[in-house]
Amino acid sequence: KQEVTQIPAALSVPEGENLVLNCSFTDSAIYNLQWFRQDPGKGLTSLLLIQSSQREQTSGRLNASLDKSSGRSTLYIAASQPGDSATYLCAVWEYGNKLVFGAGTILRVKS
Amino acid sequence: DVKVTQSSRYLVKRTGEKVFLECVQDMDHENMFWYRQDPGLGLRLIYFSYDVKMKEKGDIPEGYSVSREKKERFSLILESASTNQTSMYLCAILPDTYNSPLHFGNGTRLTVT
Repeated sequence: KQEVTQIPAALSVPEGENLVLNCSFTDSAIYNLQWFRQDPGKGLTSLLLIQSSQREQTSGRLNASLDKSSGRSTLYIAASQPGDSATYLCAVWEYGNKLVFGAGTILRVKS
Repeated sequence: DVKVTQSSRYLVKRTGEKVFLECVQDMDHENMFWYRQDPGLGLRLIYFSYDVKMKEKGDIPEGYSVSREKKERFSLILESASTNQTSMYLCAILPDTYNSPLHFGNGTRLTVT
């Protein structure tokens, strides 16, 4: 059974710092890995999708990498801002047509 | 852009009530999903549907049922609400193949007392 783990569970950093969020998964039979952002009391917003054949994707200050063989992904946020404060979730789309989520990392960027 | 609308942001129901949560899309997408989200547990799949009148159980279907009579609407039904069904419920749509991102509604926070 696929399990997705996110470390750390919570992170607090000063504004301007570069940071890395980690995601690991147990079964490498995946179509893709997705990163989402969730603001308090809201739904999820897609940030990046990395297909299984890709190594990384970039969008603005965000860069996500994927190492399928080791079951790991990282989300790198450059020059963090208070507006980046949110919960970040990763999920893998596994064979069998199901998206399996991690529990998320709660990020707080202090001004 | 894909628009996913969940009819209620907050609901308070009593134990034993039958509860309907509605999700509506503004396009003609086939794949729709219902998740619940609880602290420390992430999102867990309850049911999904890949076409009208078609449904598949997810990981935690017990105590729930679904209805999809029209393509644009996917309803989650709590047959007899219980306090352990207090949660955030999220509807999502897959606009294309599995290599497109999932689009979520804003969620319904359900409290069962």
